[in-house]
Amino acid sequence: GESVGLHLPTLSVQEGDNSIINCAYSNSASDYFIWYKQESGKGPQFIIDIRSNMDKRQGQRVTVLLNKTVKHLSLQIAATQPGDSAVYFCAEKNDYKLSFGAGTTVTVRA
Amino acid sequence: DGGITQSPKYLFRKEGQNVTLSCEQNLNHDAMYWYRQDPGQGLRLIYYSQIVNDFQKGDIAEGYSVSREKKESFPLTVTSAQKNPTAFYLCASSIMVQETQYFGPGTRLLVL
Repeated sequence: GESVGLHLPTLSVQEGDNSIINCAYSNSASDYFIWYKQESGKGPQFIIDIRSNMDKRQGQRVTVLLNKTVKHLSLQIAATQPGDSAVYFCAEKNDYKLSFGAGTTVTVRA
Repeated sequence: DGGITQSPKYLFRKEGQNVTLSCEQNLNHDAMYWYRQDPGQGLRLIYYSQIVNDFQKGDIAEGYSVSREKKESFPLTVTSAQKNPTAFYLCASSIMVQETQYFGPGTRLLVL
């Protein structure tokens, strides 16, 4: 069956450093991937997405990389700020369904 | 939260009681979804609706019911058949079922 997982449940990063959050997926038929950010007690917030015909996509301070060969997805956050502290989820989309991993909790140290 | 509202923010349920969670969107989205989130876990799909007057079961529909009488609204009822209802409930919507989903602020349901 399909599964989406994040490599590490927690990540601690120094303010100003770059963050890399990793995600592995198993369904090679998935054609669309999304990263969400969830702050405590709030709903997930869309960050960036990437389709399976792309390897890289950049947004404001964020970059998503997709390696279909090893079924790996990563989110890079440049110059991490205190406001980036949250749980980050990757989601894999196949037809209508989004499958979520358990999330990585990012803590930014001052 | 992009035009998706959920109410109430906190909801308490007594044993044997049905409760209804509200979800409204003003984004003119056709598709709407309900997810459940348990502590330390990802989201699991309860029900989704592609269009008005249509809805389909997700992965964990047992003990839940929905309706989609209006495009803007997709209420979720947690019935007494749901034995472990304590969770954070999230509503989402998308332009169409294949497109990116945007989430509301969530409702936390607690059992008294």
